Amino acid sequence: GAVVSQHPSRVICKSGTSVKIECRSLDFQATTMFWYRQFPKQSLMLMATSNEGSKATYEQGVEKDKFLINHASLTLSTLTVTSAHPEDSSFYICSAKRGETQYFGPGTRLLVL
Amino acid sequence: DAKTTQPPSMDCAEGRAANLPCNHSTISGNEYVYWYRQIHSQGPQYIIHGLKNNETNEMASLIITEDRKSSTLILPHATLRDTAVYYCIVRRDYGGSQGNLIFGKGTKLSVKP
Repeated sequence: GAVVSQHPSRVICKSGTSVKIECRSLDFQATTMFWYRQFPKQSLMLMATSNEGSKATYEQGVEKDKFLINHASLTLSTLTVTSAHPEDSSFYICSAKRGETQYFGPGTRLLVL
Repeated sequence: DAKTTQPPSMDCAEGRAANLPCNHSTISGNEYVYWYRQIHSQGPQYIIHGLKNNETNEMASLIITEDRKSSTLILPHATLRDTAVYYCIVRRDYGGSQGNLIFGKGTKLSVKP
């Protein structure tokens, strides 16, 4: 299957700082990538849809100014959590669409102290 | 997209077939059935998908009933590494930049020695 990578795999930061997470499609080009968030013992929740060359589409309740998404190329989308707070601690997962199938990255675990 | 219903948990003996059911009684004619799994602390892994016909790949088989209102994912010889949460998702093929996946709670499969 298609390969999607994320970097970093885990990050610890202080409250108030910003954290950037990268999502790359390694063996295919992805016009569309998706960002999900997963809290402990819960299912994945879609945060936003990232489209190459255009603005991201955010789900209801997700603050676009707090979660900045940039999809500048067909193989890279980035999610920046700005002014992170402890409640932003979560498992962030991206996916990239190839054809009719989505392939997921390994996830990034964020801990905000 | 149609809603799916899965049992919250199942056990399976190592080496035996694991049969995971999914009900999707409101599925529309143009909606696909997708299966993903998530091993603890990892991103979801694509397993298989189908529309009407039964499908088989190197990981699993997907059996869809003739009325398409339910399906079964079959892992023919379960191993301990197949212990994961399995998600059944029904979705249209939107194509292009649409078509995010909506995750339910899935079935937690525990493969026991």
